[in-house]
Amino acid sequence: QKEVEQDPGPLSVPEGAIVSLNCTYSNSAFQYFMWYRQYSRKGPELLMYTYSSGNKEDGRFTAQVDKSSKYISLFIRDSQPSDSATYLCAMSPLGAGNNRKLIWGLGTSLAVNP
Amino acid sequence: GAVVSQHPSRVICKSGTSVKIECRSLDFQATTMFWYRQFPKQSLMLMATSNEGSKATYEQGVEKDKFLINHASLTLSTLTVTSAHPEDSSFYICSAPTGTRRDEQFFGPGTRLTVL
Repeated sequence: QKEVEQDPGPLSVPEGAIVSLNCTYSNSAFQYFMWYRQYSRKGPELLMYTYSSGNKEDGRFTAQVDKSSKYISLFIRDSQPSDSATYLCAMSPLGAGNNRKLIWGLGTSLAVNP
Repeated sequence: GAVVSQHPSRVICKSGTSVKIECRSLDFQATTMFWYRQFPKQSLMLMATSNEGSKATYEQGVEKDKFLINHASLTLSTLTVTSAHPEDSSFYICSAPTGTRRDEQFFGPGTRLTVL
């Protein structure tokens, strides 16, 4: 079993739809959760950064973490064609040092159709 | 956010040659940088952790003699693919944590390597 599971999709939605992306994980030590967006042939860019459980909202994006279920989600409201990209979840455990490597999901490919 | 650059963005080389890829943190210092490779429609695969002033730490299955990493300064890490072969063709991406938030990493734009 992989430490982080993410459905690769592809996911196709009409413009304006609410998109739900999610990852599950097995390591209860994970405390830091991130969502990255990657456009084709570009490096990933950080979208959301969350520590421990709870919700975080930034514009049209909402990140949720449910540590009891080991489940994290990213919601995109009023999706736009420019949101078409691959979304990767990443996480890391609590521990000493700031330079700990991340554990990555496979990434979900999203297409928002005009 | 912090800026990480990579050079070159794309390189095509003949089999057997060596290729050097540079990763720079432009507006912050990075004692650690990470090197990833990514095959089409697949996730990031961590290759190695580059440490300024010391040897890189390689992930299991990554040949350290083939993928040479040098972290010469607090803003520069280089990855050299030695004696490249077509199976080394991939997208190579570096990242650096900024230290302002634990484990937050900023990525370079990537380097597309094609070995003929």
